[in-house]
Amino acid sequence: DIQMTQSPSSLSASVGDRVAITCRASQNINTFLNWYQQKPGKAPKVLIYAANSLERGVPSRFSGSGSGTDFTLTINSLQPEDSATYYCQQTYSAFIAFGQGTRLE
Amino acid sequence: QVQLQESGPGLVKASQTLSLTCDVSGGSISGGGTYYWSWIRQPAGKGLEWIGRIYKSGSTNYNPSLKSRVTISVDTSKNQLSLKLNSVTAADTAVYYCARVFGIETAINWFDSWGQGTLVTVSS
Repeated sequence: DIQMTQSPSSLSASVGDRVAITCRASQNINTFLNWYQQKPGKAPKVLIYAANSLERGVPSRFSGSGSGTDFTLTINSLQPEDSATYYCQQTYSAFIAFGQGTRLE
Repeated sequence: QVQLQESGPGLVKASQTLSLTCDVSGGSISGGGTYYWSWIRQPAGKGLEWIGRIYKSGSTNYNPSLKSRVTISVDTSKNQLSLKLNSVTAADTAVYYCARVFGIETAINWFDSWGQGTLVTVSS
């Protein structure tokens, strides 16, 4: 099974900051990696698919990069509404796995 | 825009079967397009756990950790997705989500629509 490990588990930042969340896969997953944002009491929402493709309607301050085993979600010019938990998800394997989440405050 | 709505008992006794349905509106559950359907769960304060998927063909894949207890099915006449999880324990207490998976290639796919989630508590 492919394991996904995110870091950090939580972080605190200020409005206007640039933040980066990393996700590491236990084996090469090419660019088959998605990022989701989840706010309390809500379902997750896709931000990035295939490692670096921005989902329609998602603000351009969100970006994704990486391939193989190491991936990064970057949020530029942090906004108050970006406070949420972020998850990576691999789709390389038929058996889907999520990272454990990164809480951004 | 497709909408999903989960429903089912909020309380299930240990050792019994958890049964949930997901009503799909705004589109056909078996219509054209490169998508299929999944269930995901999330224990309170914890991360997301993929339960399984079902393709329009009816073929399924399940999380190996749940495979022996789970069944996902589709009722096209009702435009409805179903989840059954038997022999539940307290560890199965979670918010359960149904979701649509949109794909552009075999491994390039993502959950593009989600239900609002339904909390299921397993009691002893």
